[in-house]
Amino acid sequence: EPEVTQTPSHQVTQMGQEVILRCVPISNHLYFYWYRQILGQKVEFLVSFYNNEISEKSEIFDDQFSVERPDGSNFTLKIRSTKLEDSAMYFCASSEDRGNSDEQFFGPGTRLTVL
Amino acid sequence: GQNIDQPTEMTATEGAIVQINCTYQTSGFNGLFWYQQHAGEAPTFLSYNVLDGLEEKGRFSSFLSRSKGYSYLLLKELQMKDSASYLCAVGSYNTDKLIFGTGTRLQVFP
Repeated sequence: EPEVTQTPSHQVTQMGQEVILRCVPISNHLYFYWYRQILGQKVEFLVSFYNNEISEKSEIFDDQFSVERPDGSNFTLKIRSTKLEDSAMYFCASSEDRGNSDEQFFGPGTRLTVL
Repeated sequence: GQNIDQPTEMTATEGAIVQINCTYQTSGFNGLFWYQQHAGEAPTFLSYNVLDGLEEKGRFSSFLSRSKGYSYLLLKELQMKDSASYLCAVGSYNTDKLIFGTGTRLQVFP
């Protein structure tokens, strides 16, 4: 069964450093998303991506964040200068159709710890 | 604005039935999703309701009332592996994203 994959599974970084989280969405999906979940809190939307551009972003997704689809398979989230409060689980998701009415498939997540 | 409410925690016994409720307020409602999330893992899709009524899928059923802004997830013949968080999430016409509730942590005891 096709699945979304993410690397790395864990990432520890120092405050102020840049991190890149990588995702490979399901191959025939057209819509891609990043969500995050701070420990013990709810899943929060960060950004959606369709047709090689950002279709929507949340207030959390400020200038420190960027996304890219560098080739036909990878989808990356970059945090330019990490802060302590960026520590969270980051989930990539993809869907065949718009995610407001179609199942979003989530990857296993990357646990980011900022020290 | 958008608001989703669900109980924080529930407990039940193996073999029993449990109902997890979710109420929501949103503009441009385009369906309600239920996801299961085991601790430290990704959410996995359980159900999607966009029309009023009950959708049954094996041991799990999901109900929606659009006029009441209400949904429930019904889990029958509970098994220990059903211990997880159950996330209610809403889709809206205006957006591609899902808005998640805080989740209901279900503990199943033998």
